[in-house]
Amino acid sequence: EIVMTQSPATLSVSPGERTTLSCRASQSVSFNLAWYQHKPGEAPRLLIYGASTRAVGVPARFSGSGSGTEFTLTISSLQSEDFGFYYCQQHDNRLPTFGGGTKVE
Amino acid sequence: QVHLMQSGTEVKKPGASVKVSCKASGSIISSYGVAWVRQAPGQGLEWMGWINVYSGYARYEQTLQDRFTMTADTSTNTVYMELRNLRSDDTAIYYCAFVPATDFPYFDFWGQGTLVTVSS
Repeated sequence: EIVMTQSPATLSVSPGERTTLSCRASQSVSFNLAWYQHKPGEAPRLLIYGASTRAVGVPARFSGSGSGTEFTLTISSLQSEDFGFYYCQQHDNRLPTFGGGTKVE
Repeated sequence: QVHLMQSGTEVKKPGASVKVSCKASGSIISSYGVAWVRQAPGQGLEWMGWINVYSGYARYEQTLQDRFTMTADTSTNTVYMELRNLRSDDTAIYYCAFVPATDFPYFDFWGQGTLVTVSS
């Protein structure tokens, strides 16, 4: 099983700030990394797949980068609607795994 | 765009089984997968398994595979999950999600979630 580790667990930011979330894999997953946004009471939302490809309808302020074992999700200017939880997930093989999540508050 | 509609809230006793449905509609490709992901209270997202709707091929998370089964009805584009021998720590919101590529499974569209509560 590929273990995904996210940091930090909690990120305290203000609207307008640039925000960077990190995700590390226990072994290389190439570029096969997805990011999701999850707000309480809602279904998760795919933001990024393939490490850097934005899903349909995702604002350009969200960007993903990285390869191998180190990945980053950047929000260029945090908006009020961006507060919530963010999860990375490796999709390098048929047994996907999620990171533990980062809370952006 | 794909829309996934899940069945409603369930309350079960320990040791019982639960079956949740997920009906897909919209721009469905000829071969796709549906995954199940759950979130227990105060916890993160946990992948449970996925099934290729047309081939029936499925993969399961190892710790669940003895009591978790997914099935698909291609005539109605509906996928079912059944979890048996329920325990209190199975209390969670269960989501189904559309998998466009099962070889490299990420989750493109999500159902609204089904709350399953296990309590005596």
